[in-house]
Amino acid sequence: AQTVTQSQPEMSVQEAETVTLSCTYDTSESNYYLFWYKQPPSRQMILVIRQEAYKQQNATENRFSVNFQKAAKSFSLKISDSQLGDTAMYFCASFFQGAQKLVFGQGTRLTINP
Amino acid sequence: GAGVSQSPRYKVAKRGQDVALRCDPISGHVSLFWYQQALGQGPEFLTYFQNEAQLDKSGLPSDRFFAERPEGSVSTLKIQRTQQEDSAVYLCASSLARDNEQFFGPGTRLTVL
Repeated sequence: AQTVTQSQPEMSVQEAETVTLSCTYDTSESNYYLFWYKQPPSRQMILVIRQEAYKQQNATENRFSVNFQKAAKSFSLKISDSQLGDTAMYFCASFFQGAQKLVFGQGTRLTINP
Repeated sequence: GAGVSQSPRYKVAKRGQDVALRCDPISGHVSLFWYQQALGQGPEFLTYFQNEAQLDKSGLPSDRFFAERPEGSVSTLKIQRTQQEDSAVYLCASSLARDNEQFFGPGTRLTVL
């Protein structure tokens, strides 16, 4: 079975700090996509960053970057200079070509404190 | 509209009632997905449409769950004879193609009493 695991149910940091959210996945496929989604309280889910498995270069979007370790099947999200608006649930997800569907992790609740 | 919309945003049903949840995808998006998100959990796939064709319904938990997209645009998720375990947020997402970025709606929070 293809699975995505987030081992940190909750994290809390001070504003302006850097925080890293962990994600691991399990698959025998070689071609897949990895995503981090943000779900603010009572608001809809939005895409933060996307990584194609065939690309070695780590994706970056402004303050958000990933550390993609394909051999280790690890896909962590780093948020630099964290802001109060970053407070949300963060979900790691993978689109596996075999299953043709998004598989989500359990989520990490991130709180940025002033 | 510019994004995916869902209605109603909140629904309370008595056990045994039937409910219908609506999703309006982004115009032109061929692919439409339904997910079930239990409290404090990640979304779980329910079903997938490509235009009006339901290509994957492997995630539907029972035959009480039924989804349709008759004209390839608006989709309805119907739950018959609701049970307490059906209480969850139901998310709809659309995309240009099955493996493209999915855009999510705000969800419908269903509470079954």
